[in-house]
Amino acid sequence: EVQLVQSGAEVKKPGESLKISCKGSGYNFINFWIGWVRQMPGKGLEWMGIISPADSDTRYNPSFQGLVTISADKSINTAYLQWNSLKASDTAMYYCARPTMGDSSGYRWYFDLWGRGTLITVSS
Amino acid sequence: DIQMTQSPSSLSTSVGDRVTITCRASQSISTYLNWYQQKPGKAPQLLIYAASSLQSGVPSRFSGSGSGTDFTLTISSLQPEDFASYYCQQTYSTPWTFGQGTKVEIK
Repeated sequence: EVQLVQSGAEVKKPGESLKISCKGSGYNFINFWIGWVRQMPGKGLEWMGIISPADSDTRYNPSFQGLVTISADKSINTAYLQWNSLKASDTAMYYCARPTMGDSSGYRWYFDLWGRGTLITVSS
Repeated sequence: DIQMTQSPSSLSTSVGDRVTITCRASQSISTYLNWYQQKPGKAPQLLIYAASSLQSGVPSRFSGSGSGTDFTLTISSLQPEDFASYYCQQTYSTPWTFGQGTKVEIK
């Protein structure tokens, strides 16, 4: 089965560090980029950035640049989202998703596969 | 950044109704426009890509149209399982941006 499996929910304190994961299976992981999307409680979707597992080429949304680090380990088909110092405002659901494009879409990108999400709660 | 504005933000409707949701981009994005459905507590799911292409497995009552700055998602006959939130997304340029969402509720 083609899927993205995300790590479990986390409860952290402000100032703590955190790294969450997203493991792809059922497809050739290095052939597809992986993206991260934030959804704050009761709010909409925000694109954080994408990474190519093949060469770790990474594109960030400027709104998240410097606040998080996106990385990948192609040897274990896993992408990561990392914080060095969490804030209460980082409390949110974080989804990984696979952007795809091809001739059927006129080479237009879209997220065709999503993980179930990782809920991060940051509270003192 | 390209701003995506959806309307309405919410709507109350009934099973069997025809539903239309619009999405406007702050600049032309050709057909680099996708639509997603999100049910409470679940991850988003792709409905429509490249403005009008139906994702495999998505019922044919869903359709998308538009190009440039104005786009439409139409549900021809709303079913009980369609009560959810809907988001448009542009992938014309980074940062890829989403609309604020439209919540479709039961009247």
